[in-house]
Formats: sequence, structure tokens, C-alpha cells
Amino acid sequence: VMTQSPAALSVSPGERVTLSCRASQSVNNKLAWYQQTPGQAPRLLIHGASTRATGIPARFSGGGSGTEFTLTISSLQSEDFAIYFCQHYNSWPRTFGGGTKVEIK
Amino acid sequence: EVQVVESGGGLVQPGRSLTLSCTSSGFTFGDYAMSWFRQAPGRGLEWVVFIGDKLYGGTTEYAASVRGRFTISRDESKTIAYLHMNRLKTEDTAVYYCSRDLRDRSGYYTADFWGQGTLVTVPS
Repeated sequence: VMTQSPAALSVSPGERVTLSCRASQSVNNKLAWYQQTPGQAPRLLIHGASTRATGIPARFSGGGSGTEFTLTISSLQSEDFAIYFCQHYNSWPRTFGGGTKVEIK
Repeated sequence: EVQVVESGGGLVQPGRSLTLSCTSSGFTFGDYAMSWFRQAPGRGLEWVVFIGDKLYGGTTEYAASVRGRFTISRDESKTIAYLHMNRLKTEDTAVYYCSRDLRDRSGYYTADFWGQGTLVTVPS
């Protein structure tokens, strides 16, 4: 089971934000982060817990290991207001966290 | 440009069947595994099914909620992945997304590129 916190947060543009994801057991760093904006498909941001996907800006960074993971956005841009999901791919079934909605303050 | 485009969604009565297609381009289809995910209205994401790339035998994996009802297949010549859905239920109502799966050095797969999705509605 993947648990994300908080469920939602309000942030001002330019601020730094850190999202959390906890796994009920170790996922051996097989952890991905996705961004989803309304009406759009999810976009892969981070895989392997900390590797940015192709084309993802450096303001996105992933960290953590074992069961505790974070996604940090160093300076929020307008296009970053979205829902963020974590997902493990260590075993089947691959499961997602419930998501964190990042809203404009 | 990498593209995966889903099609085939629509309104289908409970108990009936439907087949979704995922047409791929811009990459060597046979080198990649493919997956289907879904998202019920206003809900989170759920992984549904996976099919491995040719090199690794095209193995399949299914979520418990669809095992025995859904089948994934792939046509290498057409670069299409299919999701055959049988005995549909109201709880199968969702936007269905197809993804290309990136294999890492350890042999684990991440969905690295997703299509825009196709809506399947199974009314109550």
C-alpha cells in the first residue's frame, strides 16, 4: 500500500514544496512520481526514486529509499499546479498512492 | 516523436465485451513493454495489465480486479497493443490509458510515456 501526504496543499508560485510517499514495505527504490494536470495523461517525472525522466526540469527532484520517499519542487511554476502520484514498480501489482493535489494559494 | 494513441472506448452494457487499441509510433515497438492503466471519474490511478517486450517473451501480468476477464495482446506488425475486456462491470467505468514501459538495468518496468486515454462507460 502506498500512502501519500498531504492529500492537498496550497502553495504560492516560487515557493519550495516537498511531497511525501510511504510504502507499507520496502520497494527497493522502484518508485516513480507522476504529474497529472486536469484532463491530461499522467507524465513521468521521476523513476528509480531519484532519476529525472527525459525532459523534466531540474527543479523537480526525488529522494528517499526503502519505504519513505519525497518529491521536491524547488520553485513552483504556474504549470506545476497539478496532482502528483507516487507508484511502486517493485512487484506486481504496481500500486499508486492516492495523490497530492498542489493548488495555488 | 513518441506517440501512443488509445481508441475503442464507448458506452457498453454490463456483461458485454469491448476491445481497446493502443496505436504506437515514434519508437521501436518491439523493444518496449506496454501497459494499460485506468482512472475512474474523480479517482486515482489503477494499473490494469502489462505485456512484456518481445525480447523477454511478451509475458503478461494482470490486476486481480480484471484477471480472467481482461486480456492484453500485441501485434508487432501493426505496433498496436490491445485490451480485450469481457464481462464488463459498472466498476470498470474509467478512462483507460495505454503506456509505453521503460525497462531499467535491473529488469523492472516504469510507464514512461502515456496516451491521452479513452473513456469506457458501463452504466448501472
